[in-house]
Amino acid sequence: DSGVTQTPKHLITATGQRVTLRCSPRSGDLSVYWYQQSLDQGLQFLIQYYNGEERAKGNILERFSAQQFPDLHSELNLSSLELGDSALYFCASSVRPLLAGDTQYFGPGTRLTVL
Amino acid sequence: QKEVEQDPGPLSVPEGAIVSLNCTYSNSAFQYFMWYRQYSRKGPELLMYTYSSGNKEDGRFTAQVDKSSKYISLFIRDSQPSDSATYLCAMSGQAGTALIFGKGTTLSVSS
Repeated sequence: DSGVTQTPKHLITATGQRVTLRCSPRSGDLSVYWYQQSLDQGLQFLIQYYNGEERAKGNILERFSAQQFPDLHSELNLSSLELGDSALYFCASSVRPLLAGDTQYFGPGTRLTVL
Repeated sequence: QKEVEQDPGPLSVPEGAIVSLNCTYSNSAFQYFMWYRQYSRKGPELLMYTYSSGNKEDGRFTAQVDKSSKYISLFIRDSQPSDSATYLCAMSGQAGTALIFGKGTTLSVSS
């Protein structure tokens, strides 16, 4: 158990809908990262937050957004869902970016199925 | 060319074998190298973390980084059926920044 929690475990929804994925980082970790894992693309970085502020963006679609709250939990919002958004979504956390030895610990993931 | 290349396998070995897993990369700015293990339908679990070139050993696992060749390896000695999983290499240019992952190698260890 990495200490990172994600809810829900599974999500089944229809095209065009909107969903929210939630992540709680490990105790003491200030940075949260979101990744998407699909069979064809592998694990891809979406976005990073540090202490409530957006720090870096990766291959995140405009239909997707995220935020990190004062209690450091984070939410990833996916809207106007398409079939191709079906994937595993992982949250990872780390203590502090740019700190030597800083490593990312992953949560169990949310499996999103868009029908 | 993808930034990180990893042979997807699958790789099948008998129990007790030495396993070698490898990744190549193209970005010379990468300095931090990691190996994650992912069991089916689970999150990636950090196995090894290495900064710059060199070797690191932890129990049955040894990670090697050769920056001159842009090549990293993970060796598993005395492999066990419980080692059956997908192994992902990951790397970044700075600590605590976005990780770039290989696609993973699926390993199966038979008893």
